[in-house]
Amino acid sequence: AQSVTQLGSHVSVSEGALVLLRCNYSSSVPPYLFWYVQYPNQGLQLLLKYTTGATLVKGINGFEAEFKKSETSFHLTKPSAHMSDAAEYFCAVSEEGRDDKIIFGKGTRLHILP
Amino acid sequence: KAGVTQTPRYLIKTRGQQVTLSCSPISGHRSVSWYQQTPGQGLQFLFEYFSETQRNKGNFPGRFSGRQFSNSRSEMNVSTLELGDSALYLCASSLGLAARETQYFGPGTRLLVL
Repeated sequence: AQSVTQLGSHVSVSEGALVLLRCNYSSSVPPYLFWYVQYPNQGLQLLLKYTTGATLVKGINGFEAEFKKSETSFHLTKPSAHMSDAAEYFCAVSEEGRDDKIIFGKGTRLHILP
Repeated sequence: KAGVTQTPRYLIKTRGQQVTLSCSPISGHRSVSWYQQTPGQGLQFLFEYFSETQRNKGNFPGRFSGRQFSNSRSEMNVSTLELGDSALYLCASSLGLAARETQYFGPGTRLLVL
């Protein structure tokens, strides 16, 4: 069965610094991978997703993630953090052809320091 | 297009009662998924409905049930409420199955069980 691990339940970065949120997954077949963001008192919103093709995926708000099969990772990055990026970020994985379940990680809360 | 709407937004119940939550998906979306979000357990999948059929079910007791109507609107019911059912319940809709498609989340229903 697939699973996903997000390293660090809380991450703090200074405004203007690099944002790196880590996600590792477990899957026995090529996975679909997602990053969602949740702002306070709101539902989740898709940042980006990987299905097939190019392993570097660009998303909204300047975020991108790279699918690395050898490392079973799908880390989320943004070159320069903005105060508005403060939110909770969820990595998710699903497997094509399997039971069609999507599994979410426990989330990483990103804090932006002025 | 209007987004995913959930009603009610807030709910207070007492132990032993039952509750019904409603979700209206984005027009044209055939899949509706339900999630329970708590600080301790994170985002946990409850079930997914596609064209009025339950496609998947998470690891929740039978007290949690749902259904989908012909217009894709969905309801979730929790019977014999327990204190541990206090959570944010999120609904998400997608064009196709959630494991492959972008999910669009509603703002959630916050349930407090006293």
